[in-house]
Amino acid sequence: DQQVKQNSPSLSVQEGRISILNCDYTNSMFDYFLWYKKYPAEGPTFLISISSIKDKNEDGRFTVFLNKSAKHLSLHIVPSQPGDSAVYFCAALPGGGADGLTFGKGTHLIIQP
Amino acid sequence: DAGVTQSPTHLIKTRGQHVTLRCSPISGHKSVSWYQQVLGQGPQFIFQYYEKEERGRGNFPDRFSARQFPNYSSELNVNALLLGDSALYLCATRDRVETQYFGPGTRLLVL
Repeated sequence: DQQVKQNSPSLSVQEGRISILNCDYTNSMFDYFLWYKKYPAEGPTFLISISSIKDKNEDGRFTVFLNKSAKHLSLHIVPSQPGDSAVYFCAALPGGGADGLTFGKGTHLIIQP
Repeated sequence: DAGVTQSPTHLIKTRGQHVTLRCSPISGHKSVSWYQQVLGQGPQFIFQYYEKEERGRGNFPDRFSARQFPNYSSELNVNALLLGDSALYLCATRDRVETQYFGPGTRLLVL
């Protein structure tokens, strides 16, 4: 039973355009949501997080939107750059943080020149 | 500042053997978590340690154990290795609840 779902295994976007990565969750007890980027043979790199009490958080080219009623969040990357090509993971953290992150299966983002 | 470090980077073991993986946190981070990532999946939570005490445990068998030392570094031990234990093992540390920083991982192959 997957509590965090990334339904798009891959996404192709033209360089300079907006990349939108989506994530759905089922557990209403999640307090924080995080996005990670992962290159092959490396550990995940933290990108941005959002608290469940907010609906938007922005950091440079990255913006995360949270829709609690729909149990949906999205990561927007503007403008997309070739170095953004990687696997992106959505992760969620329950209150207290002791149970660790629950990850989706990831979306492979490909930025085309 | 050094990030999270893990050793070894790669490891090959045979079924039934024991393995110990090591993690050093970012300076000042007191919490260490371990994750297992198999191909095509997201990382799966194994353990969290804070101030040398186990604070959380994922759905893994008792063959998996861990500990944290006074300098906040940590070891993950896996006994009686199975083929299905082949995976990338990731360590993560944090200074705040909402951020976790991962190391490069240890790739374990069980033959």
